[in-house]
Amino acid sequence: EDKVVQSPLSLVVHEGDTVTLNCSYEVTNFRSLLWYKQEKKAPTFLFMLTSSGIEKKSGRLSSILDKKELFSILNITATQTGDSAIYLCASVDSNYQLIWGAGTKLIIKP
Amino acid sequence: NAGVTQTPKFQVLKTGQSMTLQCAQDMNHNSMYWYRQDPGMGLRLIYYSASEGTTDKGEVPNGYNVSRLNKREFSLRLESAAPSQTSVYFCASSYRDLNTEAFFGQGTRLTVV
Repeated sequence: EDKVVQSPLSLVVHEGDTVTLNCSYEVTNFRSLLWYKQEKKAPTFLFMLTSSGIEKKSGRLSSILDKKELFSILNITATQTGDSAIYLCASVDSNYQLIWGAGTKLIIKP
Repeated sequence: NAGVTQTPKFQVLKTGQSMTLQCAQDMNHNSMYWYRQDPGMGLRLIYYSASEGTTDKGEVPNGYNVSRLNKREFSLRLESAAPSQTSVYFCASSYRDLNTEAFFGQGTRLTVV
């Protein structure tokens, strides 16, 4: 059975810290991996990763995919209170079906 | 730039009542999805529609029905609501072949008492 597992489930850090969120997957016919940020309402798209070893970067956020070890990480440097959210990852298979992880709840303390 | 529009935003139902959640997207997307989100369980797919005229069950379809009315609209119906269906429901849409990034509606918080 295909699955996506995120860790940790929750994380509390102080402003300015760097955090690394993990997403591992076991998916038949894997196509790509998506990262989303969810604050109070709908998830918003962060990154789509298709190729192994190529870092995607947006400001203080970056992400990379390892298709050999079947995982992805999302890094946030110099965290701010506005980074507090649930971070979701999802795998996409060859039929374009999404399988979601349970999310990592990140809390940034001032 | 409406994107994905869901209605209503909040709803309280009594056990056994029925209701329909509405979803419309204006991005000409082929695929549309209904998810429920419960604490600690991430997003679980209820039903999806890969293209106009087709619908398929997802991970947790029991107690729900859907209609892909046209390319823009995808509705979710609860025929006889149960307390276990208390959840936050999200509609989403995406291009199927060009870009798998899914865009989400703002969610419907449903409470069944």
